[in-house]
Amino acid sequence: DAKTTQPTSMDCAEGRAANLPCNHSTISGNEYVYWYRQIHSQGPQYIIHGLKNNETNEMASLIITEDRKSSTLILPHATLRDTAVYYCIVSQISGGYQKVTFGTGTKLQVIP
Amino acid sequence: DADVTQTPRNRITKTGKRIMLECSQTKGHDRMYWYRQDPGLGLRLIYYSFDVKDINKGEISDGYSVSRQAQAKFSLSLESAIPNQTALYFCATEGADGNTIYFGEGSWLTVV
Repeated sequence: DAKTTQPTSMDCAEGRAANLPCNHSTISGNEYVYWYRQIHSQGPQYIIHGLKNNETNEMASLIITEDRKSSTLILPHATLRDTAVYYCIVSQISGGYQKVTFGTGTKLQVIP
Repeated sequence: DADVTQTPRNRITKTGKRIMLECSQTKGHDRMYWYRQDPGLGLRLIYYSFDVKDINKGEISDGYSVSRQAQAKFSLSLESAIPNQTALYFCATEGADGNTIYFGEGSWLTVV
């Protein structure tokens, strides 16, 4: 059963912010929201994760709604190299024995 | 050197043949995963292992088997390959304390 839903695809102009939404309405209290991205056919790479507070790192920002039922990954200044498939997943942390499953993700196309 | 190494990276095999995909990791992680990715689709979980003595079926385990030879090694076997097993296969690891997931570079398998 899919735990997250994401739009199939999105376009973003180079230099603009890319905002990728994710719905996770059945998230439980001990589950974190993780974002990964997959460039072409390489192995997916970790971007960021969060529980309920907004998070920021050198790659992106993660905004989680107060009810935790949805989140948005923000790439502040998208470049052509950010063209990839972005996966939003929910996963336990710290001792959880829950397998990690991925959906189909959002294909982000950054346009020159 | 990569943290998660998959061999072979590319393989063409005939229907009915046995094929093994090997995965080794230097992260010292207990959890390992095998995923399959079909063109244009997301990642589907085949098998996962939370330690050497723990093996679990994922979403699409039929036609596959695995072996966890050591903490660092997790092999995926196709006992009798069929064409619809043509796909890109990823091995991944995850720390037991809920760290991020690290993927290998993928193994392209073509069954003719």
